[in-house]
Amino acid sequence: GAVVSQHPSWVICKSGTSVKIECRSLDFQATTMFWYRQFPKQSLMLMATSNEGSKATYEQGVEKDKFLINHASLTLSTLTVTSAHPEDSSFYICSARGDWAYEQYFGPGTRLTVT
Amino acid sequence: RKEVEQDPGPFNVPEGATVAFNCTYSNSASQSFFWYRQDCRKEPKLLMSVYSSGNEDGRFTAQLNRASQYISLLIRDSKLSDSATYLCVVTRAGEYGNKLVFGAGTILRVKS
Repeated sequence: GAVVSQHPSWVICKSGTSVKIECRSLDFQATTMFWYRQFPKQSLMLMATSNEGSKATYEQGVEKDKFLINHASLTLSTLTVTSAHPEDSSFYICSARGDWAYEQYFGPGTRLTVT
Repeated sequence: RKEVEQDPGPFNVPEGATVAFNCTYSNSASQSFFWYRQDCRKEPKLLMSVYSSGNEDGRFTAQLNRASQYISLLIRDSKLSDSATYLCVVTRAGEYGNKLVFGAGTILRVKS
């Protein structure tokens, strides 16, 4: 149990376009979802936390107008990278947590390359 | 100063060796502590939680020293499949419950 999926697993886009990444909890209801970013040889950095039906809370230094997060249901959160630039190329990973669990369950990640 | 500091390695060890990783954290209010394992280009996976009393899971032993704000992971009888990056993780309070703060990881390479 506690499976989280992400789609797409990888995406290549041109500079200036927007990309949407989906994060789904497949077998549980995720009250809270987290979005992380990981650059090569660096740690996972939390970008934002979202609760179903509420606005996302962004970490310091993360532009909320650039990284749009929607957590409209208990099984789906989306991250949209707007007007992507090459420096946004990274590994984006989501995790989900239900009310019943302390543990976060991670999705397999989405590798974004902006050309 | 980073909130969680780890020796990046890499640690290159032969099969069967015992290897130890250390980690320090700066936030004394951190409540929970973990070791995660991350394989190349994959998501992190929980290896084990860490308690002050120490805990063991097969070949893996984790220890927490709250006074020194120090966490350790010991791997005995290393296997080739143990090759990965080991992430030290602590929690920080957030608006929607605890958030995970990751160290940059320590790379382990086990060779035959």
